Amino acid sequence: DAGVIQSPRHEVTEMGQEVTLRCKPISGHNSLFWYRQTMMRGLELLIYFNNNVPIDDSGMPEDRFSAKMPNASFSTLKIQPSEPRDSAVYFCASRGTGMGTEAFFGQGTRLTVV
Amino acid sequence: RKEVEQDPGPFNVPEGATVAFNCTYSNSASQSFFWYRQDCRKEPKLLMSVYSSGNEDGRFTAQLNRASQYISLLIRDSKLSDSATYLCVVMIYNQGGKLIFGQGTELSVKP
Repeated sequence: DAGVIQSPRHEVTEMGQEVTLRCKPISGHNSLFWYRQTMMRGLELLIYFNNNVPIDDSGMPEDRFSAKMPNASFSTLKIQPSEPRDSAVYFCASRGTGMGTEAFFGQGTRLTVV
Repeated sequence: RKEVEQDPGPFNVPEGATVAFNCTYSNSASQSFFWYRQDCRKEPKLLMSVYSSGNEDGRFTAQLNRASQYISLLIRDSKLSDSATYLCVVMIYNQGGKLIFGQGTELSVKP
């Protein structure tokens, strides 16, 4: 398996533009997580899905952020409009069933909003 | 209060030293626990799971104290290659398997 695949790896955009981050989880995994990492705040959980259904989006910072999981093999995180304070590394992770099952991370998308 | 709190870093230690990281969690419904390792500008990766009875993997020992809601990681005979950030993770099963990460503790092992 190729692991969790995120795209793009790097994104530089201007303030006010729409940004879409993509994630393909590991096949067979039924949980998908989106995290944001900054030096100041560490790794923050934004939203997670079980069986394509959003379970908890309380970590989504503002209405400018939205996430979807239309099927088991694809998820998007969208920021519209983007702001400089959204600059961070965004990680997607997936996990299979079972209490002790580990989560596997993608390589992340480094977002810079100028 | 953060749901998962770790010792602030960085920890700067010489090769061969023993170093311990601590972590506390606030949600008593937390049911699975992990330590992840993150190298600079890379994704976090599982170091080891933490079991109630404590567990060891080579130079690494993890302990869990459910009564005190406390997790620890001990690294013996530290190597230069152990330099990384160590993240404490709790999973809350009755919240759909919510995975919460601590801020991380940076370890720097010097020659």
